Amino acid sequence: NAGVTQTPKFRILKIGQSMTLQCAQDMNHNYMYWYRQDPGMGLKLIYYSVGAGITDKGEVPNGYNVSRSTTEDFPLRLELAAPSQTSVYFCASRPYNSPLHFGNGTRLTVT
Amino acid sequence: DQQVKQNSPSLSVQEGRISILNCDYTNSMFDYFLWYKKYPAEGPTFLISISSIKDKNEDGRFTVFLNKSAKHLSLHIVPSQPGDSAVYFCAAYTGTASKLTFGTGTRLQVTL
Repeated sequence: NAGVTQTPKFRILKIGQSMTLQCAQDMNHNYMYWYRQDPGMGLKLIYYSVGAGITDKGEVPNGYNVSRSTTEDFPLRLELAAPSQTSVYFCASRPYNSPLHFGNGTRLTVT
Repeated sequence: DQQVKQNSPSLSVQEGRISILNCDYTNSMFDYFLWYKKYPAEGPTFLISISSIKDKNEDGRFTVFLNKSAKHLSLHIVPSQPGDSAVYFCAAYTGTASKLTFGTGTRLQVTL
């Protein structure tokens, strides 16, 4: 099992550009999450999904969009990148009533 | 509004000694607590958890204590080892919610 796979590992964007952060899991987990971690801060929830076709906002959803067309994939879309979106992004998944499994993160810089 | 707080950003402990990491929370609806460990350039990994119906849970060198009346939990690592050097995050959620709320993390350094 690969677990939770995030691509790319690193990305530099110019202000106003858009990109999609990819997340895939091969554990057949229903629940999937996107978090961001800023320096010296904890992880903040951006969006989450409790199953294919169902998504909901977390604490900091502005500037992001998600979709969940399959159980395996949960991409995060940035439409108009801003410097405030410079962060490390973590995708996670879990089965019902179990701890989260995290990917290794995508480090994004917006300049 | 930080519902889960880790007030010590860093902690240094000698190898073989006890490490105690603390966490406070404000939301009385939280009923399940977890500790995650994070190495640089990796995602957090689950370490240990505790339900609000318990006040202690042990797993090898790691023990988590929960004091519900004080809204406080702590992670004890005994004995501490150099490989324990990492950032530790406290997290909490309610049994009916899907969302996990994280603290800001404590960086533990175990010195020789």
